Amino acid sequence: DAGVIQSPRHEVTEMGQEVTLRCKPISGHDYLFWYRQTMMRGLELLIYFNNNVPIDDSGMPEDRFSAKMPNASFSTLKIQPSEPRDSAVYFCASGRDRVNTEAFFGQGTRLTVV
Amino acid sequence: GNSVTQMEGPVTLSEEAFLTINCTYTATGYPSLFWYVQYPGEGLQLLLKATKADDKGSNKGFEATYRKETTSFHLEKGSVQVSDSAVYFCALTEPGSNYKLTFGKGTLLTVNP
Repeated sequence: DAGVIQSPRHEVTEMGQEVTLRCKPISGHDYLFWYRQTMMRGLELLIYFNNNVPIDDSGMPEDRFSAKMPNASFSTLKIQPSEPRDSAVYFCASGRDRVNTEAFFGQGTRLTVV
Repeated sequence: GNSVTQMEGPVTLSEEAFLTINCTYTATGYPSLFWYVQYPGEGLQLLLKATKADDKGSNKGFEATYRKETTSFHLEKGSVQVSDSAVYFCALTEPGSNYKLTFGKGTLLTVNP
């Protein structure tokens, strides 16, 4: 299995532009998570899905952030408009729906908003 | 709510030194506990896990024991290598939480030759 695949690996954009981050989870996994990692805040859970349905988006910082999972093999995290404080590494992770399972992480997207 | 507290880094050791990274947790039920490792420029990888009290997780020479009485899950390795240099995260999930991971802030380990 190729693991969780995220694209792009790096994104540099200007303030005010729309940014879309993409994730392909591991086949057969039921859960998909989006995390943000910064030096100040560490790892923050933004949103997660179960069977393509958003379960908890309480970690989404504000309305500029949105996430979708149109099917079991694809998810997007969109920021519109982007701001410099959104600069971070964004991780996607997926996992199976069973007790004591762990999450498998992608390599992340490093976003820089200038 | 759930929380995980790790010792503050950075930790700098010489090769073959003994490593301990402390982790304590707060949970309302009986969580599963994890250590994840993040190598430079990469995502997090599961290092080891323990799912019930007194379980010992182990992998690549690292060990951690689930101590319910002290709500701890300290990571240890008897002899570190330069290749162990990474950020280590302690984490938990709790039954009924839909497998949502709660992470500590991470501890940066640097091992010098």
